[in-house]
Amino acid sequence: DTGVSQDPRHKITKRGQNVTFRCDPISEHNRLYWYRQTLGQGPEFLTYFQNEAQLEKSRLLSNRFSAERPKGSFSTLEIQRTEQGDSAMYLCASSPRAGGRNTEAFFGQGTRLTVV
Amino acid sequence: QKEVEQNSGPLSVPEGAIASLNCTYSDRVSQSFFWYRQYSGKSPELIMSIYSNGDKEDGRFTAQLNKASQYVSLLIRDSQPSDSATYLCAVYGRDDKIIFGKGTRLHILP
Repeated sequence: DTGVSQDPRHKITKRGQNVTFRCDPISEHNRLYWYRQTLGQGPEFLTYFQNEAQLEKSRLLSNRFSAERPKGSFSTLEIQRTEQGDSAMYLCASSPRAGGRNTEAFFGQGTRLTVV
Repeated sequence: QKEVEQNSGPLSVPEGAIASLNCTYSDRVSQSFFWYRQYSGKSPELIMSIYSNGDKEDGRFTAQLNKASQYVSLLIRDSQPSDSATYLCAVYGRDDKIIFGKGTRLHILP
């Protein structure tokens, strides 16, 4: 296993279009996170999954954003009716477990979204 | 109060010197603490994890944790130009997720 994989690496879309990103976590990692990062800022928490269950979605997240993790494997993040303010790097990370030790997250390469 | 706070920098350190990066967190019950390095245009890379009070050393890196003061630091010894990056402090807390600070930009001067 080569680590967390995200697809696509780059996406340019017109305002109002829908986009979907995919994340394949490290095998057997139960925890999966989605973050968004803009220039000069740290990763901002969006949502996370424990296996297939979505445990929390950021209060800051518009209802245009939705995420799934069917069967507890890969995850998708969809943004509907994109806006210019959605332009950012979208980062996926997976973690071996929740609680205690070995909770560190490992990141994929990210998907850079540009809304024009 | 922000959950994880870092000085944004930039922090400029001469090559070969010790770089000291600091982080404070608000959740007293936080369990796990991480330092990530992020090069421009790349994703964060985990460099250190620390769970108990005290120091943890890994090569040129030392992480220090003081839970009573809610303070985490990262020391980089013998700084190299390749250490120039943004360093992100992250905390796994009572709310069961990892939260990041804004990061500190480190610039190693040749």
